[in-house]
Amino acid sequence: QQQVKQSPQSLIVQKGGISIINCAYENTAFDYFPWYQQFPGKGPALLIAIRPDVSEKKEGRFTISFNKSAKQFSLHIMDSQPGDSATYFCAASVYTGNQFYFGTGTSLTVIP
Amino acid sequence: ETGVTQTPRHLVMGMTNKKSLKCEQHLGHNAMYWYKQSAKKPLELMFVYNFKEQTENNSVPSRFSPECPNSSHLFLHLHTLQPEDSALYLCASSQDWTDTQYFGPGTRLTVL
Repeated sequence: QQQVKQSPQSLIVQKGGISIINCAYENTAFDYFPWYQQFPGKGPALLIAIRPDVSEKKEGRFTISFNKSAKQFSLHIMDSQPGDSATYFCAASVYTGNQFYFGTGTSLTVIP
Repeated sequence: ETGVTQTPRHLVMGMTNKKSLKCEQHLGHNAMYWYKQSAKKPLELMFVYNFKEQTENNSVPSRFSPECPNSSHLFLHLHTLQPEDSALYLCASSQDWTDTQYFGPGTRLTVL
């Protein structure tokens, strides 16, 4: 049973456009939602994370939007750049637990 | 060298071979993890060590055997693997088991 569902599987965006990746979860005990960025040949790296006490968190061009009632959260990449081309994973965990549940990943390609 | 390192980066082995993957973290963290990453699947948590003690074993087949001699080093011993075990094996570490995880670059394993 997949704890975190991520979509789309792949995404192509023009340079300067907005990239949007969505994730949904079922377990209401989850209270920590990180996003990871993975380049080819590298391990995932933490990009941005949110706790459910806020509905939005912004760091530079990256924004997480969180909808607790819908049990959904999304990553928005503003002014997308070719260097943003990577695979993005959402994840969820109970902050006092030791397991992260990952989505299946979204392969983002930003076209110059 | 900083962060989380993994060796070897690539490994090809036959089903009757015995090999080991090595992970080393230079971050002073207390928790270390092994993940399996297969194409189009979520990251699968295999093992968790917290202060050198194994705290999770997610029904991983016995042909995978972890070892954590100290809080900086983690090994994954492999024997009698199957072709379906071919994947990217990622090591991660965190300050403690509730904290953000930092990933190594992974070992690309191919089982013939």
